[in-house]
Amino acid sequence: NAGVTQTPKFQVLKTGQSMTLQCAQDMNHEYMSWYRQDPGMGLRLIHYSVGAGITDQGEVPNGYNVSRSTTEDFPLRLLSAAPSQTSVYFCASSYSIQIVKGYTFGSGTRLTVV
Amino acid sequence: GENVEQHPSTLSVQEGDSAVIKCTYSDSASNYFPWYKQELGKGPQLIIDIRSNVGEKKDQRIAVTLNKTAKHFSLHITETQPEDSAVYFCAASITGNQFYFGTGTSLTVIP
Repeated sequence: NAGVTQTPKFQVLKTGQSMTLQCAQDMNHEYMSWYRQDPGMGLRLIHYSVGAGITDQGEVPNGYNVSRSTTEDFPLRLLSAAPSQTSVYFCASSYSIQIVKGYTFGSGTRLTVV
Repeated sequence: GENVEQHPSTLSVQEGDSAVIKCTYSDSASNYFPWYKQELGKGPQLIIDIRSNVGEKKDQRIAVTLNKTAKHFSLHITETQPEDSAVYFCAASITGNQFYFGTGTSLTVIP
């Protein structure tokens, strides 16, 4: 039982490049989400999914796309990277939003856009 | 939307002393309040949580209190140890599909 696995751990992109941050969980959690963590701003929700085939926007969705084709995987796509997207990205999951409980977080991806 | 404020941003205590971190929230509909501990280079880890129908919850050296009227909740760590040094985040949620996080408190326990 690995929990929530994020890859890569570190990434440097040039402005305008695209990439996909991977997130996988093996706990059969219905709910998955992506947060970004910036100094002095806490964690802010980018996108979330309450099940396979269902996604929705969070607080800061612009510049990011997601899809959820399986229960296990929830990749985050940066379409055209900008320096403002330099951040630490966390994937988080929870069993179900019907029973509200705290998240299980991955270990994060540190992204630098130059 | 919900706004969660967290204080202090940094906190230093001597080993064995207590540490208290406070959070306030704006939306009275929030009903679930988790606390997370984040060690350097790792993701946040849930350490304790409280629901709006409970005023206090304890787990060994950690306790959380909730005052719904004043819309604030606090994390209390007693008998602090060096391994308690980390960044602590509070959060609030209404529906479970979105959590609103505080800006974090960096706790340093001095041996």
